[in-house]
Amino acid sequence: EAGVAQSPRYKIIEKRQSVAFWCNPISGHATLYWYQQILGQGPKLLIQFQNNGVVDDSQLPKDRFSAERLKGVDSTLKIQPAKLEDSAVYLCASSPAQGADYNEQFFGPGTRLTVL
Amino acid sequence: GDSVTQMEGPVTLSEEAFLTINCTYTATGYPSLFWYVQYPGEGLQLLLKATKADDKGSNKGFEATYRKETTSFHLEKGSVQVSDSAVYFCALRNYAGKSTFGDGTTLTVKP
Repeated sequence: EAGVAQSPRYKIIEKRQSVAFWCNPISGHATLYWYQQILGQGPKLLIQFQNNGVVDDSQLPKDRFSAERLKGVDSTLKIQPAKLEDSAVYLCASSPAQGADYNEQFFGPGTRLTVL
Repeated sequence: GDSVTQMEGPVTLSEEAFLTINCTYTATGYPSLFWYVQYPGEGLQLLLKATKADDKGSNKGFEATYRKETTSFHLEKGSVQVSDSAVYFCALRNYAGKSTFGDGTTLTVKP
């Protein structure tokens, strides 16, 4: 079974530029999460989708961050414009809606963003 | 809100030493508890989990017991190996399906 795929793996941009990240979850997983992991900290949830609907985006900085999950499969996370403090690893995770693994999140390798 | 507090690192041990990484939590109700491991350059991988009080999760020689009375979920391993060197994250998932992670503990095992 293929895992969660993310691209790109690394991205370096200058402040005020825009950037987009892509995530392809495990096939059949209804729930998709985007996390921000700042160096030395644990992952912080940015947004959670159930199929193509938003379940929780309370910690998403909506003035600059946006995310979508078209057709309930792939998802993109965008930052526009980027700030220095956005430098972090952006993790995508997915989980099934039911079954033995419904409580578990499966993580992708992450995208490391550096804002100069 | 929910929170997870982990023992601060880094932790450095010699091979075959005993490992304990402390984790305590605050949450409404009875959350599910998890330990994730992150190897350099990789995403988080589930190490073990426990979904109710007194459950013991175990995997690859690691164990943790869900202690409701002390709101703790300490990670232990009797004999660590160099390959166990990684960052370990304690996490909870509450009744609404929202996850909260600790800040991670870096473990380095020396031969």
